[in-house]
Amino acid sequence: GAVVSQHPSWVICKSGTSVKIECRSLDFQATTMFWYRQFPKQSLMLMATSNEGSKATYEQGVEKDKFLINHASLTLSTLTVTSAHPEDSSFYICSARNQLTTNEKLFFGSGTQLSVL
Amino acid sequence: LAKTTQPISMDSYEGQEVNITCSHNNIATNDYITWYQQFPSQGPRFIIQGYKTKVTNEVASLFIPADRKSSTLSLPRVSLSDTAVYYCLVGAPLSGGFKTIFGAGTRLFVKA
Repeated sequence: GAVVSQHPSWVICKSGTSVKIECRSLDFQATTMFWYRQFPKQSLMLMATSNEGSKATYEQGVEKDKFLINHASLTLSTLTVTSAHPEDSSFYICSARNQLTTNEKLFFGSGTQLSVL
Repeated sequence: LAKTTQPISMDSYEGQEVNITCSHNNIATNDYITWYQQFPSQGPRFIIQGYKTKVTNEVASLFIPADRKSSTLSLPRVSLSDTAVYYCLVGAPLSGGFKTIFGAGTRLFVKA
């Protein structure tokens, strides 16, 4: 089946540093990928839609300069949390659709737990 | 985007059948209904998808009435490992500006 690989699984960083999270579709091409964040005991919150070859579309309230998204190829999207602060600590998840299918099935990465000290 | 409403939590015992209903009153003509399962500290995993009537796969069944304003995920003979959060989503393929919005989900607790 289709696989989405997300790395790293967890990261601990100091306040003020930047962290990059990668999301790869391993066996299909994805012109569109999605980034979410999830706090404990809460649902996934859509942060942005990553579009291959163009700018990402951010949800209301999500700072585009804080959460930089790059989707340079059909199989890779990256999320960079810039100048991370403790309030950015969260579980970040990506997902992708197979552009060759017409259904709504999404494939999710395993998530990245970010802890900012 | 069609909003979904699910029970916040459900309890069950091993071996029982569990039915989780999702309401989506403003579902659009082109929308599909998709269910995902999420374990703690993991990304969601696809369970089943349907458009109308009934769909069955190796892990679940999905019942959709004719008006499509609700859907029911049926898990036969649950086990402890089915304890997870279940999300119901609706969305239309290939629509401009498509995106996936998660509702609160249903926390299923399976007891021994």
